[in-house]
Amino acid sequence: QVQLQESGPGLVKPSQTLSLTCTVSGGSISSGGYYWTWIRQHPGKGLEWIGYIYYTGNTYYNPSLRTRVTISIDTSKSQFSLKLSSVTAADTAVYYCARQFKGMVDDTPVVWFDPWGQGTLVTVSS
Amino acid sequence: EIVMTQSPATLSVSPGERATLSCRASQSINSNLAWYQQKPGQAPRLLIYGASSRATNIPARFSGSGSGTEFTLTISSLQSEDFAVYYCQQYNNWPPYTFGQGTKLEIK
Repeated sequence: QVQLQESGPGLVKPSQTLSLTCTVSGGSISSGGYYWTWIRQHPGKGLEWIGYIYYTGNTYYNPSLRTRVTISIDTSKSQFSLKLSSVTAADTAVYYCARQFKGMVDDTPVVWFDPWGQGTLVTVSS
Repeated sequence: EIVMTQSPATLSVSPGERATLSCRASQSINSNLAWYQQKPGQAPRLLIYGASSRATNIPARFSGSGSGTEFTLTISSLQSEDFAVYYCQQYNNWPPYTFGQGTKLEIK
């Protein structure tokens, strides 16, 4: 089955750029109908959708983060990446990558996130 | 942006009993709602989509209901492995997709 694994630095300095990569295994990152997503969870808090990328390179971002976020994809490596610029302490969170399904089930539009990676804690601190 | 509000924040229930978790949307989202379960140190797991359809391999004791702005996740007979945090998520109006703040289901 499809598995996702995040990787990247666990500590980033304020004002710098956070960079994470998600490696997809057990399935094709170029599968139609699936979107590759980043979601974060601030310590002890709820979940925040950051954005997604399709294998064609089409992206959609959370408007609250749009000016600082870039998601890219490398289908040859089965990886997609997140860059978040000008980070502050408020960007400290566990970052998850996930596969998003967006399509029709029984003639009804549905969206879900499944599976998820295990998550990686990124702390913004000097 | 649609705001999702879950209640209660914490729910204490005994094993074998029924648990009822609520989720409210700030405006109608039709049936475009999913539920996730998250255990400590783990990623969320999809339980329900379309407000009431169980995801693959999810036990029948989990059921979802509701439409419009009011939704419920019911766990009919709590097992020890069900004690976790539960999140609702709307996908009717996006971007962004938004999640509730979660309900922690704890052992009474």
